[in-house]
Amino acid sequence: SAVISQKPSRDICQRGTSLTIQCQVDSQVTMMFWYRQQPGQSLTLIATANQGSEATYESGFVIDKFPISRPNLTFSTLTVSNMSPEDSSIYLCSVEPYVKTEAFFGQGTRLTVV
Amino acid sequence: DAKTTQPTSMDCAEGRAANLPCNHSTISGNEYVYWYRQIHSQGPQYIIHGLKNNETNEMASLIITEDRKSSTLILPHATLRDTAVYYCIVRVGGDSSYKLIFGSGTRLLVRP
Repeated sequence: SAVISQKPSRDICQRGTSLTIQCQVDSQVTMMFWYRQQPGQSLTLIATANQGSEATYESGFVIDKFPISRPNLTFSTLTVSNMSPEDSSIYLCSVEPYVKTEAFFGQGTRLTVV
Repeated sequence: DAKTTQPTSMDCAEGRAANLPCNHSTISGNEYVYWYRQIHSQGPQYIIHGLKNNETNEMASLIITEDRKSSTLILPHATLRDTAVYYCIVRVGGDSSYKLIFGSGTRLLVRP
């Protein structure tokens, strides 16, 4: 199994500012995933973060808006830049410690932009 | 990428079996089907996954049709705590590069 700690758990931010979300895993993992869940919606993959390489972004998401760092095998950050109310969502990180088995999710960061 | 289609909502009586369907007609031969559930906007919780064969664990059973175009998640004896949003997911990619594509989810209400 894997235990994921996300910080902050929630935040209220002013539009135009940026927020960095941290994801800490209790074991080393190759790939970490960042998702967005808009109110009442399903999860949408933002990007995949591998240690030592640039993150791979899904269609509709760009590095300037959602820069990601992956400095080691247990940690990653997602920054939501120049925020607008449309960025109000839950942001979740996920890992799959063993290939083709269970993926684990953090409890998410609930972001409200005012 | 393969996508999944699920009913928006379902309900069942407590103690009865809950059968949640999912269509994934464009799934490729090496893509797994996963099921997760999410309660009160917590992080999604793993339930079960499979490729071709039917699977069973302590939580549920997964029935995959022979052509792999659809599957059914079965909760054999639903309880009130099973009320949640259930996501049918396709895992695309290989061992070194992969991702989970979430469906829109089925909101299951278990009635007393």
